[in-house]
Amino acid sequence: DVKVTQSSRYLVKRTGEKVFLECVQDMDHENMFWYRQDPGLGLRLIYFSYDVKMKEKGDIPEGYSVSREKKERFSLILESASTNQTSMYLCASSLAHRTAYEQYFGPGTRLTVT
Amino acid sequence: AQSVTQPDIHITVSEGASLELRCNYSYGATPYLFWYVQSPGQGLQLLLKYFSGDTLVQGIKGFEAEFKRSQSSFNLRKPSVHWSDAAEYFCAADRDDKIIFGKGTRLHILP
Repeated sequence: DVKVTQSSRYLVKRTGEKVFLECVQDMDHENMFWYRQDPGLGLRLIYFSYDVKMKEKGDIPEGYSVSREKKERFSLILESASTNQTSMYLCASSLAHRTAYEQYFGPGTRLTVT
Repeated sequence: AQSVTQPDIHITVSEGASLELRCNYSYGATPYLFWYVQSPGQGLQLLLKYFSGDTLVQGIKGFEAEFKRSQSSFNLRKPSVHWSDAAEYFCAADRDDKIIFGKGTRLHILP
């Protein structure tokens, strides 16, 4: 079974702090994704990556950056957290680029910025 | 623009009743189609997927979905729901390397 793990289930940070959300997958997947999920808005793609050191902007990249130094790990960074970044963050991975494989999701990190 | 629409934000059914969750997509060509389920406090889990071939797709947990090209729909069904099916359900479509999720339908089960 594919396993996608996220470093924290719940996180509380203060406005202006730098926040790191870590995601690790154990199935050698090429693709990794970061979404945020808000009530009534569904899942919105923040960033994705098809390979190590490669990243692409999704639909809402503003205020976020990412890092993929190793194939199994994809980090989401909030350079200066703001209250409007309070949300559920979901990481996902899928097998390969340019093929329609399903995504496997982690359990999510609920981030609160105060 | 490409889109996935789930017209129902909330649906309530009685335990043991049948269920149908609606999903419509708008794409130039037929995309790959998925249904995911999210239990409270959890990530999303794949229920089933449609790539091609038989338009009736069987998934896990007793769910099935039917692809109808003429209606641009991919509705999810279950003949008899259980209290454990209470969750949020997401339809998704993937074409040209970009997956789009619907906004979700929250399913409530009455005892």
